[in-house]
Amino acid sequence: TQLLEQSPQFLSIQEGENLTVYCNSSSVFSSLQWYRQEPGEGPVLLVTVVTGGEVKKLKRLTFQFGDARKDSSLHITAAQPGDTGLYLCARVRTGNQFYFGTGTSLTVIP
Amino acid sequence: DAGITQSPRHKVTETGTPVTLRCHQTENHRYMYWYRQDPGHGLRLIHYSYGVKDTDKGEVSDGYSVSRSKTEDFLLTLESATSSQTSVYFCAISDRTGYTEAFFGQGTRLTVV
Repeated sequence: TQLLEQSPQFLSIQEGENLTVYCNSSSVFSSLQWYRQEPGEGPVLLVTVVTGGEVKKLKRLTFQFGDARKDSSLHITAAQPGDTGLYLCARVRTGNQFYFGTGTSLTVIP
Repeated sequence: DAGITQSPRHKVTETGTPVTLRCHQTENHRYMYWYRQDPGHGLRLIHYSYGVKDTDKGEVSDGYSVSRSKTEDFLLTLESATSSQTSVYFCAISDRTGYTEAFFGQGTRLTVV
């Protein structure tokens, strides 16, 4: 059973639009990570959030960790075709075990 | 880029045959992982290793075994492949504990016919 549910599962938008994807769980996490995976490649870490309520920005990407540390969101402003990919949230459990969410597949249409 | 090589990159095999996938790293990282990726499931952990000869099960370990005889190599074996094991398999590595990061290989696409 995967503990991290992501929504939406698929998202297709026009270039220039804004979007938000979500990562939810019933468990409390000490930290949460977001990865992006491009077609044919492995996932690559974008950010780690560790404090409830924390907001981190990476250019046009804004990541937020929920106050209760059970959920997180990723907001992309003015999406570009280069943002296309699979976005995965992940938690790191005791023993350095990485557990990933179900993923959101984003397509940005030029 | 982290030095992680998966082999083979593509394989087609018949139901009931044994299959071994190899992951080789040049980073001397302690932890190694095998994941499978299927639509709608993100990445699911099959097995992981926290040192030479030290391995443990993940979320979806049934039908899979692993071995790690050297720091740099982590093998995933499907003893008797089934069609449900058709998937893309990713190897990952990480080092220190705490706020660490998983580095991934490029994946192996396995088709069981």
